[in-house]
Amino acid sequence: QKEVEQNSGPLSVPEGAIASLNCTYSDRGSQSFFWYRQYSGKSPELIMFIYSNGDKEDGRFTAQLNKASQYVSLLIRDSQPSDSATYLCAVKSSGTYKYIFGTGTRLKVLA
Amino acid sequence: SAVISQKPSRDICQRGTSLTIQCQVDSQVTMMFWYRQQPGQSLTLIATANQGSEATYESGFVIDKFPISRPNLTFSTLTVSNMSPEDSSIYLCSVEASDYGYTFGSGTRLTVV
Repeated sequence: QKEVEQNSGPLSVPEGAIASLNCTYSDRGSQSFFWYRQYSGKSPELIMFIYSNGDKEDGRFTAQLNKASQYVSLLIRDSQPSDSATYLCAVKSSGTYKYIFGTGTRLKVLA
Repeated sequence: SAVISQKPSRDICQRGTSLTIQCQVDSQVTMMFWYRQQPGQSLTLIATANQGSEATYESGFVIDKFPISRPNLTFSTLTVSNMSPEDSSIYLCSVEASDYGYTFGSGTRLTVV
């Protein structure tokens, strides 16, 4: 069974700090990796995707992928209270249209 | 990215009844996906809806309980049939309009009493 694991949290960080969210996956055939943000009562919205090993930066967000370790992470720099949400990691395997979602990490940014 | 209109946004239903959820996409897409998100849980894929063919259901989900229609490339419905309190959940439709991940509808929050 293909799995995506995340620590459920909550992860609490002070405003202005770096929040580090982690995700591991079991399927070595996974090719595409996504981070979604979900505010309470809202649907998930895509914030980052990464396909290649290494880092990908977009504004305050950096996604990091290490396929050898089957590990993907999301760094949020200069965290703001508005970043408080649940962050879902999703993985898509090669040759499939299905995404496997982790259970999400709840982030709380303290003002 | 695609924009999806989903309705109703929420409903409270009596057990034993059925609810149909609609999703309209602003562009043509081959596949539409229906997910369930139970309280405090992640997203579980119910089925994949292709235009012109029967939906493909995931393990644990059956057509009699969750019939799906896909009459064209921009619209789909999911019906939750013979509801019980265990069906209380958020139901989401989504599409993969590019290689850059899913876009989700706004969700339907269903409470069965």
